[in-house]
Amino acid sequence: DTAVSQTPKYLVTQMGNDKSIKCEQNLGHDTMYWYKQDSKKFLKIMFSYNNKELIINETVPNRFSPKSPDKAHLNLHINSLELGDSAVYFCASSPYVLAGQGWVDTQYFGPGTRLTVL
Amino acid sequence: RKEVEQDPGPFNVPEGATVAFNCTYSNSASQSFFWYRQDCRKEPKLLMSVYSSGNEDGRFTAQLNRASQYISLLIRDSKLSDSATYLCAVNIGVRAGRRALTFGSGTRLQVQP
Repeated sequence: DTAVSQTPKYLVTQMGNDKSIKCEQNLGHDTMYWYKQDSKKFLKIMFSYNNKELIINETVPNRFSPKSPDKAHLNLHINSLELGDSAVYFCASSPYVLAGQGWVDTQYFGPGTRLTVL
Repeated sequence: RKEVEQDPGPFNVPEGATVAFNCTYSNSASQSFFWYRQDCRKEPKLLMSVYSSGNEDGRFTAQLNRASQYISLLIRDSKLSDSATYLCAVNIGVRAGRRALTFGSGTRLQVQP
């Protein structure tokens, strides 16, 4: 009954390799995101998809390519990995619902993928 | 100036103490405000949304001051289990064509026995 799941949880790889991280949410949310948390614990948005459409693409090297095959999945592929890519990558999802205080799009995070590039 | 700023701490407080965190944001178009809690090597988990009228959930109270562009979190009767990093998050929102959170760097709280 996991809400937002990611695989793998840990990823250790050599510089120059290509790797993918998968994310799935079973909450029925319309928007999914990738965030990166670096060694200083700063959490920053990379991409967001709404109903399979790319909405946000922050200043991220084009070695990073998100892919959303359907509303429930958002994968992240990284080419030519570099040392500086080492970080924790979090997937998240959100609905867009009208609540008592207005429109709310609270985000729910997956457990994270800890990527180490050697 | 960073978009969202927090005092990194650490805040070291005894059990039972009351502790308050502030967070300032720079974009006046910000629409949604949140406090997340992050334990070591875990994902951020929503603690509470922050509304203009202020809101309370048990020992936790959140306030929003739009005029001064800051949000606050008050924790009463601190427990050992409250030890974590508290992240302030702001969303500019759909009107700006952006539904993603901008996070502060987090405030570390350590509750001592």
